[in-house]
Amino acid sequence: ETGVTQTPRHLVMGMTNKKSLKCEQHLGHNAMYWYKQSAKKPLELMFVYSLEERVENNSVPSRFSPECPNSSHLFLHLHTLQPEDSALYLCASSQDRQGDWEQYFGPGTRLTVT
Amino acid sequence: RKEVEQDPGPFNVPEGATVAFNCTYSNSASQSFFWYRQDCRKEPKLLMSVYSSGNEDGRFTAQLNRASQYISLLIRDSKLSDSATYLCVVTRFLRSNDYKLSFGAGTTVTVRA
Repeated sequence: ETGVTQTPRHLVMGMTNKKSLKCEQHLGHNAMYWYKQSAKKPLELMFVYSLEERVENNSVPSRFSPECPNSSHLFLHLHTLQPEDSALYLCASSQDRQGDWEQYFGPGTRLTVT
Repeated sequence: RKEVEQDPGPFNVPEGATVAFNCTYSNSASQSFFWYRQDCRKEPKLLMSVYSSGNEDGRFTAQLNRASQYISLLIRDSKLSDSATYLCVVTRFLRSNDYKLSFGAGTTVTVRA
């Protein structure tokens, strides 16, 4: 596989469930990102990892917990979510965490919280 | 005020027409600018970077106006395949090795036969 992959592609979970989203990049990039995309709203940057170190956390509720075990893998652990957390969650990677590098996005996980 | 704002559209144009739209940014310290394209139910993909002198890639032309703090995208000879949402992306240097990346909500373009 090439590029950025995400699993699962679709997820329906109850508010009391615990689930994890997985992202893998095959591009040899050093930076990885989690975004939330809600309808008609801009992409919201949630977390940034550079060389496996979290460098940015944009005031995301603690019910979202990221994990970056190595430079190719990124997880988003979910627990006790709310219905307003239903959205498309996109993972992206870039060569480095600098503003002028192209971001390569995965296909996203469409999450529905019931 | 939002850091990046776009006219959501939709811009409905016939094939072959020219369509243009802008994206305004609020922080004059913004330094890198991009247009991404997002097809329906797909992920965003880089369309083109926007350089200070303006740049062209085939039928697509991007311009940067720093004085008025906006970037523009012009699509000539529109094709059906140009139908998508175009996302404006702006980056700003914060401090050593730290950037703020801001996305617009997107401008939807629909090209009809």
